[in-house]
Amino acid sequence: NAGVMQNPRHLVRRRGQEARLRCSPMKGHSHVYWYRQLPEEGLKFMVYLQKENIIDESGMPKERFSAEFPKEGPSILRIQQVVRGDSAAYFCASSPGQDPYGYTFGSGTRLTVV
Amino acid sequence: QKEVEQNSGPLSVPEGAIASLNCTYSDRGSQSFFWYRQYSGKSPELIMSIYSNGDKEDGRFTAQLNKASQYVSLLIRDSQPSDSATYLCAVSPDTGNQFYFGTGTSLTVIP
Repeated sequence: NAGVMQNPRHLVRRRGQEARLRCSPMKGHSHVYWYRQLPEEGLKFMVYLQKENIIDESGMPKERFSAEFPKEGPSILRIQQVVRGDSAAYFCASSPGQDPYGYTFGSGTRLTVV
Repeated sequence: QKEVEQNSGPLSVPEGAIASLNCTYSDRGSQSFFWYRQYSGKSPELIMSIYSNGDKEDGRFTAQLNKASQYVSLLIRDSQPSDSATYLCAVSPDTGNQFYFGTGTSLTVIP
């Protein structure tokens, strides 16, 4: 039973380019969450999605960031026109349903903007 | 603003000692509490969950919750060098599925 799969593991983008991060949840999990971890900081919630629906995007920056979880395929976190401050580790987690279950995290995508 | 506070450390304990990690949270409506361990460059992994006041033990780990004081802690008995990592406290509010994480406490177990 594969865990939460994120790719790529490492992504380097120049300022102004687009970054696309992918997350495939664990089998049987229909809830996906994206978190960002800046250097020396804790995990910050970004967005919670179910299939074809954004449930809570209260942690998403208002501009340049978007997320989707289509009916088929992985969840995508898209960052347009990246800036150096976007450099961070982006973690995806999945769960089978409502809380109080703990998450299962993916290995993360480390984005570096040069 | 929902806050989860942890002492960032670093906390150093000798091998075999008890490590005590603490966490406070601001949202009195929080219902679920978790401790995650994160090795450098790796993803967080769940160690313990606790939902009601009191102690919960799992092997060498004991989680303690005091909702009145808005305080949750993690005790690691017989600490091992392999326990050296950053420990993240996570709190879930009464609604929704997102978790609020503390910034983590760095633990080093000295052989």
